[in-house]
Amino acid sequence: EDQVTQSPEALRLQEGESSSLNCSYTVSGLRGLFWYRQDPGKGPEFLFTLYSAGEEKEKERLKATLTKKESFLHITAPKPEDSATYLCAVRAGNNRKLIWGLGTSLAVNP
Amino acid sequence: NAGVTQTPKFQVLKTGQSMTLQCAQDMNHNSMYWYRQDPGMGLRLIYYSASEGTTDKGEVPNGYNVSRLNKREFSLRLESAAPSQTSVYFCASIDLDTQYFGPGTRLTVL
Repeated sequence: EDQVTQSPEALRLQEGESSSLNCSYTVSGLRGLFWYRQDPGKGPEFLFTLYSAGEEKEKERLKATLTKKESFLHITAPKPEDSATYLCAVRAGNNRKLIWGLGTSLAVNP
Repeated sequence: NAGVTQTPKFQVLKTGQSMTLQCAQDMNHNSMYWYRQDPGMGLRLIYYSASEGTTDKGEVPNGYNVSRLNKREFSLRLESAAPSQTSVYFCASIDLDTQYFGPGTRLTVL
């Protein structure tokens, strides 16, 4: 069964303390892995798409990487405004629908 | 550009009442989706529309109907609301692999 698992469920960091969020997946024929950010009371906001193992994408303090089994979202020197829930999703095979993880809730303390 | 808009933002219904959630996008996208988001369950696809005039069931379509009124608008109808439909509902408009989400409708069914 296709599955996406995110860890940890929650993470609390001090401002400037770098860390990584994990998204592991079990799917047949990965067609894309997606990272979204969701602020409380709002809809998810697109961050990155990764298509093949070894691919990396960066945006400000965020860097997403992909292997054949998992993706990492690295957060370098986070700021309080990076506090949010980070969602991972994958597309598999010819299915246009996404399989979503439950997210990692990140809190960055000043 | 407003992106994706949803109305209403909040709604409280009694069991058995009906209502329609409205969604509109101004990005000229062909595909639009309806999701629900529940704690511990993640985002689940209710219905989707790949193009104007077409709709298909997602993971959890029971108790819902949809209408793709035109390219811009995609509505979700609850004919006889049940407490199990208490949730946050998101509409998304899709451009290739990127999903653009609306702000959500928070629905409580008593």
